Amino acid sequence: GQQLNQSPQSMFIQEGEDVSMNCTSSSIFNTWLWYKQDPGEGPVLLIALYKAGELTSNGRLTAQFGITRKDSFLNISASIPSDVGIYFCAGGREKLTFGTGTRLTIIP
Amino acid sequence: DTGVSQDPRHKITKRGQNVTFRCDPISEHNRLYWYRQTLGQGPEFLTYFQNEAQLEKSRLLSDRFSAERPKGSFSTLEIQRTEQGDSAMYLCASSLRTDSPLHFGNGTRLTVT
Repeated sequence: GQQLNQSPQSMFIQEGEDVSMNCTSSSIFNTWLWYKQDPGEGPVLLIALYKAGELTSNGRLTAQFGITRKDSFLNISASIPSDVGIYFCAGGREKLTFGTGTRLTIIP
Repeated sequence: DTGVSQDPRHKITKRGQNVTFRCDPISEHNRLYWYRQTLGQGPEFLTYFQNEAQLEKSRLLSDRFSAERPKGSFSTLEIQRTEQGDSAMYLCASSLRTDSPLHFGNGTRLTVT
């Protein structure tokens, strides 16, 4: 099935660094969501975006709904060890289309 | 814990056997969803319910798959005559209403040998 394009596929950073990742689609979405998934667990909702141009924060996380409605961005500031995991973007409402994921690893 | 609950967490079965998974959504959430996730991929939509009505099914949901939500509360997903290609994580999610975000359970990991 269709998956959104997420980049980068993986990131290796040091604790305290800021992180940026993005998600692009060939289709327009009216809702963008960002989830984090740990091994063996289900995706956990981080941020939901409902309006083009919207910028929303959740603690150290900030996400933006692109003006074209075909992309979204997630930033994590001052990364900490518990930020390790796979981040997924998703577009849509009931029938979410997920991205391919960005795997975040923190180098000691 | 009032999150989405799925049972069992893991299931190993032999090819050709039938399996059934259960999902209990967050209380008062009237929408319930099933997704499938294979290794290294994002989840893919299978089907969803509003109360007891099944509103949409993906083409991924072959005739061997059936989902029910008989009383508009918990849901079951049955796979008949399992195949090795059915091995995946089956995720359930729920939402309060149409525009509410989906909250996922921890999934049932199915391994077909």
